[in-house]
Amino acid sequence: DADVTQTPRNRITKTGKRIMLECSQTKGHDRMYWYRQDPGLGLRLIYYSFDVKDINKGEISDGYSVSRQAQAKFSLSLESAIPNQTALYFCATSDLASGISTDTQYFGPGTRLTVL
Amino acid sequence: LAKTTQPISMDSYEGQEVNITCSHNNIATNDYITWYQQFPSQGPRFIIQGYKTKVTNEVASLFIPADRKSSTLSLPRVSLSDTAVYYCLVDMVAYSGAGSYQLTFGKGTKLSVIP
Repeated sequence: DADVTQTPRNRITKTGKRIMLECSQTKGHDRMYWYRQDPGLGLRLIYYSFDVKDINKGEISDGYSVSRQAQAKFSLSLESAIPNQTALYFCATSDLASGISTDTQYFGPGTRLTVL
Repeated sequence: LAKTTQPISMDSYEGQEVNITCSHNNIATNDYITWYQQFPSQGPRFIIQGYKTKVTNEVASLFIPADRKSSTLSLPRVSLSDTAVYYCLVDMVAYSGAGSYQLTFGKGTKLSVIP
């Protein structure tokens, strides 16, 4: 079983619709992240959470919100989707307690979102 | 956070050694250098990490000169399955959460391995 799972894997929606992308992890990590990837632009950080009570904005948080329901779950919402939010979305986890010197991140398989 | 510069793309024949260099002129004392690999439509995967000199694992080697202003990822005898995008990142050691945090992946280097 995959350590970091994302649902749905693909989603097509219309402008103005509310969309939720979900991420679950079985690695026991405290830190979770949401990124988006656009062709030719690499990955950009949307939101991150260092524990259940911690939520922080990343580089491109406008138009998005998140919820950390539990240590293992981190959801990304688009309250009113617009076409320029069409992208590939990745969830990731990390854990400093593992003894690794920096935040080595473990990524999910991604969600391909298309907003028409 | 220190920003990185790496070539947009590289081509290599199967069986050759590939070296991808990353520049990070503003790297801070507490920063480590980390490389990730990403296949199409998959999330990035950690390859290797280092602070100085040389690090080697079963997948790659990482060479870091004394001034740490650049680093080179070396992939020995590449195969077609090594075709991917490779990202170089610099990252603060044991980030505690104080202040803003942003791990910048940049655009990466697209490596194409040719038969």
